[in-house]
Amino acid sequence: EVQLLESGGGLVQPGGSLRLSCAASGFTFSSYGMSWVRQAPGKGLEWVSGISGSGGYTSYADSVKGRFTISRDNAKNTLYLQMNSLRAEDTAVYYCAKKYSSSGNSLFDYWGQGTLVTVSS
Amino acid sequence: DIQMTQSPSSVSASVGDRVTITCRASQGISSWLAWYQQKPGKAPKVLIYAASNLQSGVPSRFSGSGSGTDFTLTISSLQPEDFATYYCQQANSFPLTFGGGTKVEIK
Repeated sequence: EVQLLESGGGLVQPGGSLRLSCAASGFTFSSYGMSWVRQAPGKGLEWVSGISGSGGYTSYADSVKGRFTISRDNAKNTLYLQMNSLRAEDTAVYYCAKKYSSSGNSLFDYWGQGTLVTVSS
Repeated sequence: DIQMTQSPSSVSASVGDRVTITCRASQGISSWLAWYQQKPGKAPKVLIYAASNLQSGVPSRFSGSGSGTDFTLTISSLQPEDFATYYCQQANSFPLTFGGGTKVEIK
């Protein structure tokens, strides 16, 4: 059974940093691209960042480029999102999501339960 | 960036009704589209991937169609558990983008 379990969310002051983790199990982690998707309170879904199975390719939304860094440790089956220079508008539930196929494009078949990041003084 | 426009933004329907949600891409995305269902406080759940492929375990009353720029999600006979918000997502190119969502409410 595929499981994705996010952690690391919490309350942080504007300008602060946070690192999110997503522990994966139930599939060959290194074979699948992964992404982070966020949802601000009462709003829709926003893709944040994605990474290939090997970790050699990454992509970011313009809203986080230069501030967030996605990475993965395939030996630990874990996905990360390092978030720096956080702003109030980064407040959201952050989900990790697994690509539905080891080939093909980034449609997602499994999502974690989400972790809440609140940026406030 | 590819813009995804969903309509309607909300719909009121009764159990047993047929419900159709549309998603239009600002440029062609082939069949790189998924539909997700989200209930309050829960993570999204995939219903349809690659425009028309039903995800395993999803009831057959859900169906998807379209290619290029125009896509449709149809619920053939609305059930009580289907009241939720639905999102489309394109994966033709980065940045990946989602539609604004369609809330299906009880009439």
